[in-house]
Amino acid sequence: KAGVTQTPRYLIKTRGQQVTLSCSPISGHRSVSWYQQTPGQGLQFLFEYFSETQRNKGNFPGRFSGRQFSNSRSEMNVSTLELGDSALYLCASSPQWPSSYNEQFFGPGTRLTVL
Amino acid sequence: DQQVKQNSPSLSVQEGRISILNCDYTNSMFDYFLWYKKYPAEGPTFLISISSIKDKNEDGRFTVFLNKSAKHLSLHIVPSQPGDSAVYFCAASAVSNYQLIWGAGTKLIIKP
Repeated sequence: KAGVTQTPRYLIKTRGQQVTLSCSPISGHRSVSWYQQTPGQGLQFLFEYFSETQRNKGNFPGRFSGRQFSNSRSEMNVSTLELGDSALYLCASSPQWPSSYNEQFFGPGTRLTVL
Repeated sequence: DQQVKQNSPSLSVQEGRISILNCDYTNSMFDYFLWYKKYPAEGPTFLISISSIKDKNEDGRFTVFLNKSAKHLSLHIVPSQPGDSAVYFCAASAVSNYQLIWGAGTKLIIKP
């Protein structure tokens, strides 16, 4: 079974721009969660989608949004980028919701640098 | 406010000995705890979990202990192997919001 894939792996943007990150979960997994990891910090929960519906949202500003498609693939969008948005963005899939009570399978992440 | 704390940023252990990684939490509503490990340039991978109704869970070389009164959990790795060198994260969940709250991680280095 193929693992979780994330594209692109690396991204450089400038302040004020917007960015879209993509995540393809493991086949058959209907839950996709997104996390932000900054240096020296644990993962910060952004949101979780299950069956195309956002089930949960973390404490991030409205500039961070996402969606999930009928094939369970998910995208995350960040608008009006700020320097502090530079981070590793990780996507995780799980067969069930809530994923916080199940094993999650992570992709390698997208490293976003905002200049 | 950090609800899940891993106070040791790094830990060095001799190969073959026991590695003990610690994690403290403040939210008494947490009822499920997980450990993940992360290698550089890879996403975290699940190791082991424990429900708050238990105080111990074992899986091969890995054992997690939960002390609810102290709001403390620990991961024991016996014996430690070179491939165990990685960053270890503990994470906690509560039914109140189903968000997984993560510690900052502990970098484990296994010395040959």
